[in-house]
Amino acid sequence: NAGVTQTPKFRVLKTGQSMTLLCAQDMNHEYMYWYRQDPGMGLRLIHYSVGEGTTAKGEVPDGYNVSRLKKQNFLLGLESAAPSQTSVYFCASSYSGAGVETQYFGPGTRLLVL
Amino acid sequence: EDKVVQSPLSLVVHEGDTVTLNCSYEVTNFRSLLWYKQEKKAPTFLFMLTSSGIEKKSGRLSSILDKKELSSILNITATQTGDSAIYLCAVGFSGSARQLTFGSGTQLTVLP
Repeated sequence: NAGVTQTPKFRVLKTGQSMTLLCAQDMNHEYMYWYRQDPGMGLRLIHYSVGEGTTAKGEVPDGYNVSRLKKQNFLLGLESAAPSQTSVYFCASSYSGAGVETQYFGPGTRLLVL
Repeated sequence: EDKVVQSPLSLVVHEGDTVTLNCSYEVTNFRSLLWYKQEKKAPTFLFMLTSSGIEKKSGRLSSILDKKELSSILNITATQTGDSAIYLCAVGFSGSARQLTFGSGTQLTVLP
């Protein structure tokens, strides 16, 4: 049981390049989330998904797109990377049952945009 | 706009000290408050507090929710160097897809 995994762990991009971050979970969770974490800012929600084939915008969605084609995977795309997107990206997943709020986090992807 | 504020932003103590971390919130339709510990990588879950469970304890860590004051505290007694981490507070609200709004965290450093 690997929990939540993220690929890649670290990436350097040039301004204008594109890339996709992959998140996978093996806990059969319905809900999945992408966050970014910047120094002194805590975690900010980019996009989230309540199930296969559905996505929604979070607090800071601009410049990102997502897809949830399979229940276990949640992809985060940057079409044209900008230095402001330099950050650590965390994926999380959550059970959808009543009374359960806990989100389980992946190890993070460190992205540097030059 | 939903808001979660943590204080202090950073704290340096010596082993054996007791620390209290604070979290206050202003959210619509509050449902739960969660505490996470973040060492070098992913945040790991510590506690969840709700209207039906306003106090939690695990070993040297304990947390209380004050719904009247819209705040929570996380206490750590007899601190150890392994307690050094960022402690994140997050609030969940009703009607959401389990979305959480996070505070900016408290960086705790425990010196030997």
